[in-house]
Amino acid sequence: GAVVSQHPSRVICKSGTSVKIECRSLDFQATTMFWYRQFPKKSLMLMATSNEGSKATYEQGVEKDKFLINHASLTLSTLTVTSAHPEDSSFYICSARPLPLAGGVNNEQFFGPGTRLTVL
Amino acid sequence: DAKTTQPPSMDCAEGRAANLPCNHSTISGNEYVYWYRQIHSQGPQYIIHGLKNNETNEMASLIITEDRKSSTLILPHATLRDTAVYYCIVSALVVTASKLTFGTGTRLQVTL
Repeated sequence: GAVVSQHPSRVICKSGTSVKIECRSLDFQATTMFWYRQFPKKSLMLMATSNEGSKATYEQGVEKDKFLINHASLTLSTLTVTSAHPEDSSFYICSARPLPLAGGVNNEQFFGPGTRLTVL
Repeated sequence: DAKTTQPPSMDCAEGRAANLPCNHSTISGNEYVYWYRQIHSQGPQYIIHGLKNNETNEMASLIITEDRKSSTLILPHATLRDTAVYYCIVSALVVTASKLTFGTGTRLQVTL
């Protein structure tokens, strides 16, 4: 099946620093990638939709200047948490949707393993 | 996207079938039913999806009622490794980006 990787898998940083998380589709191309955040014992919350070569679309309440998203290629999207604070500590998960096969459409998404961010 | 309702938790004995229900009474004609699961501290894993016909793959079966207002995910022989949170999601099948909205899911606990 399609594989999505995230790097790093976990990161601990000091308050005020910026952290970059990478999301890669390893064996397929994805024009669209999604970024989610998940707090302990809660469901996934969509933060933004990232389209290759264009600006990301952020969900209501998500600060675009704090969570910078870059989708520079069909296999890589990055999320940068700027000036991180302890309340940004969370599990960040990306997903990627493959390019549709010729003549077909699909909304299936493949998820990365997640990145656990701890801000001290 | 239509909203879904799932029981918060279920138990199942290992080796037995796990039947996870989902209500999606406001589903519209172009929306599919997707099932994902999330094992603790991992990213969600795709299980199966369907429109109106029943579907089966190597992981599970999906039974959708004729009126499409509810569905059931069936794990035919549950194992301890099937312990996870299972999410039922409805989403339109369009080429342009269509997001998946996760609800609270059902926490399935498989026991010996």
